[in-house]
Amino acid sequence: DQQVKQNSPSLSVQEGRISILNCDYTNSMFDYFLWYKKYPAEGPTFLISISSIKDKNEDGRFTVFLNKSAKHLSLHIVPSQPGDSAVYFCAASSRDQAAGNKLTFGGGTRVLVKP
Amino acid sequence: NAGVMQNPRHLVRRRGQEARLRCSPMKGHSHVYWYRQLPEEGLKFMVYLQKENIIDESGMPKERFSAEFPKEGPSILRIQQVVRGDSAAYFCASSLILAGTRSGELFFGEGSRLTVL
Repeated sequence: DQQVKQNSPSLSVQEGRISILNCDYTNSMFDYFLWYKKYPAEGPTFLISISSIKDKNEDGRFTVFLNKSAKHLSLHIVPSQPGDSAVYFCAASSRDQAAGNKLTFGGGTRVLVKP
Repeated sequence: NAGVMQNPRHLVRRRGQEARLRCSPMKGHSHVYWYRQLPEEGLKFMVYLQKENIIDESGMPKERFSAEFPKEGPSILRIQQVVRGDSAAYFCASSLILAGTRSGELFFGEGSRLTVL
């Protein structure tokens, strides 16, 4: 049972254009959402997050949008740069305090930014 | 380097051998999480530990896998009698949880890549 889904396994975009990555979730207990970026042979690194009390969070070139009614979030990267080429994981955590900071991850979207 | 440290980075084992993966959390972090990434897949939660306690092991296979986080020393993920299907990247993450707050962020190590021949 995949509680967090990233339906696009890959995305190719021209440098300078916008990259839009999508993520859907099913568990209504999720109340905190994060995006991680991963390069080959490295661990995931935190990119940006959003709490369920907000619908948008922006940090430089990265913006995350949350649509709670649709259980959908997206990550916008603009403008895209070649260094953004990586795998991006959507993740979610539950308001269940016993879970600590346990994250449930999507399957990832591989982004290729072409110069 | 105050980040999450994992070793070994690469481990090769033959079928039937044991694999031991170690993780030292970030300084001051007392919560450790282990994730597994199979080739071309996402990260799957395995186990969540605090010092000397397993909090959530719902993602751990029932047999051959065990984890510990002793009072002193690193967290260890142990896989007994490895099989080819255990070949994967195993990531450790740590977090700091302050009473009454949730930052939600996990800090990941660079992973240990297990290859079973």
